[in-house]
Amino acid sequence: NAGVTQTPKFRVLKTGQSMTLLCAQDMNHEYMYWYRQDPGMGLRLIHYSVGEGTTAKGEVPDGYNVSRLKKQNFLLGLESAAPSQTSVYFCASSRRDRDATNEKLFFGSGTQLSVL
Amino acid sequence: DAKTTQPTSMDCAEGRAANLPCNHSTISGNEYVYWYRQIHSQGPQYIIHGLKNNETNEMASLIITEDRKSSTLILPHATLRDTAVYYCIVRVASWWRDDKIIFGKGTRLHILP
Repeated sequence: NAGVTQTPKFRVLKTGQSMTLLCAQDMNHEYMYWYRQDPGMGLRLIHYSVGEGTTAKGEVPDGYNVSRLKKQNFLLGLESAAPSQTSVYFCASSRRDRDATNEKLFFGSGTQLSVL
Repeated sequence: DAKTTQPTSMDCAEGRAANLPCNHSTISGNEYVYWYRQIHSQGPQYIIHGLKNNETNEMASLIITEDRKSSTLILPHATLRDTAVYYCIVRVASWWRDDKIIFGKGTRLHILP
């Protein structure tokens, strides 16, 4: 099983450039999340989705947009990259239980993004 | 803001039990406690979760206080491979909910040889 796959794994951008990070999961999960992690910091939630066609803002949404057109994919876009967006980005997914008894998160291996 | 607080770092001798505390004093009755760990720069990995009863699996044990305001993750025989950042989070158990999952900074656990 592939689980949660993030592409690309590494990327270097110049200030002002745009790019899209792709997260794909093959577990038929309802929930998907994008986090960023800066050196020595914990995970901060950027955006999340509770189902196909729905998205919501997390803790640090500014400068990012997301889309969930297909259940298995969650895209994170940077329209005009800034050096402050240099970070490691993690995607995660989770199934939706009727009583939420076992909704563990599965994470991708991360994308290292540098904005010069 | 995260709904949990954890010590920034802890040390534990190899072979001993590592006990990692987590405070979640505002936890609601329908919120689960989940633990994850992140080794080096990898994606976080699920460890264990519970609602109000103590739980044990092949990786760890989870002890939740009776008032549910705090919990302890126990790694019974810590090895060098357990060196990681450990995160404690709470998650609502409700079919209709806003599923904003907030991680704090976690506890950096150092296993000493």
